[in-house]
Amino acid sequence: DQQVKQNSPSLSVQEGRISILNCDYTNSMFDYFLWYKKYPAEGPTFLISISSIKDKNEDGRFTVFLNKSAKHLSLHIVPSQPGDSAVYFCAASAKTSYDKVIFGPGTSLSVIP
Amino acid sequence: NAGVMQNPRHLVRRRGQEARLRCSPMKGHSHVYWYRQLPEEGLKFMVYLQKENIIDESGMPKERFSAEFPKEGPSILRIQQVVRGDSAAYFCASSPGTGPSGEQYFGPGTRLTVT
Repeated sequence: DQQVKQNSPSLSVQEGRISILNCDYTNSMFDYFLWYKKYPAEGPTFLISISSIKDKNEDGRFTVFLNKSAKHLSLHIVPSQPGDSAVYFCAASAKTSYDKVIFGPGTSLSVIP
Repeated sequence: NAGVMQNPRHLVRRRGQEARLRCSPMKGHSHVYWYRQLPEEGLKFMVYLQKENIIDESGMPKERFSAEFPKEGPSILRIQQVVRGDSAAYFCASSPGTGPSGEQYFGPGTRLTVT
């Protein structure tokens, strides 16, 4: 049973446009959500996070939106740049066990120059 | 994530052999996590350790897999009698603490191939 789902395995976006990566979760105990970015042959790198007490968190070109009632979050990248091409993992954890971060399967983003 | 070191980067083992994967956390980090990524899948939590203690091993297969984080030296993930299904990328992460402020910093991974 996949508790964190990323239903789009891949996404292509033109440089300068907005990239929107979606993530759904099933466990209502999750209260902290993270996005990681991964380049080939490297480990994932933390990008941005959001607590369940918020519905939006912004950091430069990256904004994460959380809709708790829909158990849905999204990562917006604007404007998209070729260097953003990577695999993006959505992840979640619950205050009962913050050590156990549950990752989604990832979405591969390609930003076309 | 440059601070978390993993070695070897690539490891080839024949079925039945042992695999030992090493992870040195970032300086000042006392929490270590191991994840496994199978092809076409996300990262699966395996185990969380602090120095000399296994805190949560709920993601570890019951047999053949073990992990340690000794007082001195790197954390070791050990797989005995490897099988083809163990072929995967194994990532180690570290953090200075746990809780929502303790985002995990990942190493580059060890790609294990079982032939």
